[in-house]
Amino acid sequence: GAVVSQHPSWVICKSGTSVKIECRSLDFQATTMFWYRQFPKQSLMLMATSNEGSKATYEQGVEKDKFLINHASLTLSTLTVTSAHPEDSSFYICSARVNSGSSGTDTQYFGPGTRLTVL
Amino acid sequence: AQSVAQPEDQVNVAEGNPLTVKCTYSVSGNPYLFWYVQYPNRGLQFLLKYITGDNLVKGSYGFEAEFNKSQTSFHLKKPSALVSDSALYFCAVSPFGGKLIFGQGTELSVKP
Repeated sequence: GAVVSQHPSWVICKSGTSVKIECRSLDFQATTMFWYRQFPKQSLMLMATSNEGSKATYEQGVEKDKFLINHASLTLSTLTVTSAHPEDSSFYICSARVNSGSSGTDTQYFGPGTRLTVL
Repeated sequence: AQSVAQPEDQVNVAEGNPLTVKCTYSVSGNPYLFWYVQYPNRGLQFLLKYITGDNLVKGSYGFEAEFNKSQTSFHLKKPSALVSDSALYFCAVSPFGGKLIFGQGTELSVKP
């Protein structure tokens, strides 16, 4: 149980285009999903918290107009990288939290990640 | 400030030997602690978590972790390492709002 998928697993795009990444919780409902960015051999950097039916909460320094997040249902959140540039190339990972009534103790389950390369 | 530290960038272990991956934390209030493992070009897999209760937590794939409040540590352990355990390991703490704060990661290398 607690499987999270991401699509696509990798994408190459031209500079200036937009890319959408989907994150789905396959066997549970997730009120809250998270989006992370990871550089090679480094830790995960939380970009934003995605709440179903409301606006995402972005971490300091993350441009909300560049990284658009939509959490339209309890099983789907999307991250759109708008007007992508080479510096946006990275590994993007989402996670979904299994709700148990106490957010601090809930386990986050992670998707397999999406490798974005912007040429 | 809430933080997690993994003091070793890399840990090398011979197959069959016990392994320990270290983690220390600094949080206010009750710490909720997690261990995740990441294989190359993959997302993170949940191993175990400590919320309350028994200081020794058992998790997936034979891993366990010991919570030590006085030393503010949550070291990951396994009695007998496998080559397939070679991966990147992350310790994380959930101080508030369900967000996770990750350590910098420790690369575990198990040699046959």
